[in-house]
Amino acid sequence: GDSVTQMEGPVTLSEEAFLTINCTYTATGYPSLFWYVQYPGEGLQLLLKATKADDKGSNKGFEATYRKETTSFHLEKGSVQVSDSAVYFCALSDSTGGTSYGKLTFGQGTILTVHP
Amino acid sequence: DVKVTQSSRYLVKRTGEKVFLECVQDMDHENMFWYRQDPGLGLRLIYFSYDVKMKEKGDIPEGYSVSREKKERFSLILESASTNQTSMYLCASSLTGLALETQYFGPGTRLLVL
Repeated sequence: GDSVTQMEGPVTLSEEAFLTINCTYTATGYPSLFWYVQYPGEGLQLLLKATKADDKGSNKGFEATYRKETTSFHLEKGSVQVSDSAVYFCALSDSTGGTSYGKLTFGQGTILTVHP
Repeated sequence: DVKVTQSSRYLVKRTGEKVFLECVQDMDHENMFWYRQDPGLGLRLIYFSYDVKMKEKGDIPEGYSVSREKKERFSLILESASTNQTSMYLCASSLTGLALETQYFGPGTRLLVL
């Protein structure tokens, strides 16, 4: 079945540091890929997504590129801020083989803490 | 803006009680989902619904049931709560069932079963 693997956390950075959170996936077809973010005390919200190979999703300074050859969708940001402290989830939705109903398969989440 | 609301932010129940968690979305979305979130496990799908009165099991449906009598409302029912159902429960909705569709999440209900 489908699966998503994220790098182990937690990740602790100083403000203005470079961020990478690794994400790799296993899927039977050509899934859509997502990064969701969960700020403290809130539900998840979409950060960015990519729907086909070589697409780059971007939002709020974050970027991720859909790499089919390496089955990866790593999240990057050039300069993190304290306000980026949150839990980040990589996820996929795969429609191959029939209707998926948009079901998401999530990674385990990565806790990011940014210090001033 | 899409809004997904959940009936409670925190709940404390006793083992064996029947528990109802309600979710309402205000954007006429077709699909609704219930997940549970546990540390180190990410989110796992319990049940989802793609239309009124239609439901499908997710990855971990045991011990749960759902009800969708109206398009905007999706209820999760714990028939007889157990301590291993202590968790954060998140509801989500999406406009359609396409793989590229964004899901919109509620704030979550943190359930403690004693």
